[in-house]
Amino acid sequence: GAGVSQSPSNKVTEKGKDVELRCDPISGHTALYWYRQSLGQGLEFLIYFQGNSAPDKSGLPSDRFSAERTGGSVSTLTIQRTQQEDSAVYLCASSLGLAGGRAQYFGPGTRLLVL
Amino acid sequence: DQQVKQNSPSLSVQEGRISILNCDYTNSMFDYFLWYKKYPAEGPTFLISISSIKDKNEDGRFTVFLNKSAKHLSLHIVPSQPGDSAVYFCAAVVWTQGGSEKLVFGKGTKLTVNP
Repeated sequence: GAGVSQSPSNKVTEKGKDVELRCDPISGHTALYWYRQSLGQGLEFLIYFQGNSAPDKSGLPSDRFSAERTGGSVSTLTIQRTQQEDSAVYLCASSLGLAGGRAQYFGPGTRLLVL
Repeated sequence: DQQVKQNSPSLSVQEGRISILNCDYTNSMFDYFLWYKKYPAEGPTFLISISSIKDKNEDGRFTVFLNKSAKHLSLHIVPSQPGDSAVYFCAAVVWTQGGSEKLVFGKGTKLTVNP
């Protein structure tokens, strides 16, 4: 498909386990974002990748959260030692960046439940 | 402290009538705004955007109006259709602490269009 894809669509894990969430952005989009939406809350920015530049990690809530973007395309968000408050929908978005318009296009999200 | 506010959690309109969704923001430096539509279990879908140098942007049945002095924007859908039933999010582009851009979202308004 031509849109942003994410996997898995749902993930249930036990407290203390590590999880990896994957995002495939739209082909050609240089900017990639991770957000999360907790129950009853708005979308919260986590991290931003632009091309090969160092990521903007200013939104990550703790050092248990990290993300990589390999080859300027696919990104993985890793949460170590998961806690129950990490339960949320994790959304990935991509865009052409400032030069191509500022709209961000979202994937369907990964629903994470930490028991 | 919410920077983007959608004060109506829900709105119900009759098919064929106009839907007006409202959004207020706090920072007069915000210069780009977007509207997204979200169906259950899907990611937000970009609808329409507006730059602060404009006061109106139109795309088919969707028109966004921006009143900078009031720090208010609205989305008009005319005519409304049952398929428009979804949660609508208003978002503003803001700068992160890391010097990049992110979207800050309102909490959304659930629109129901009745046949």
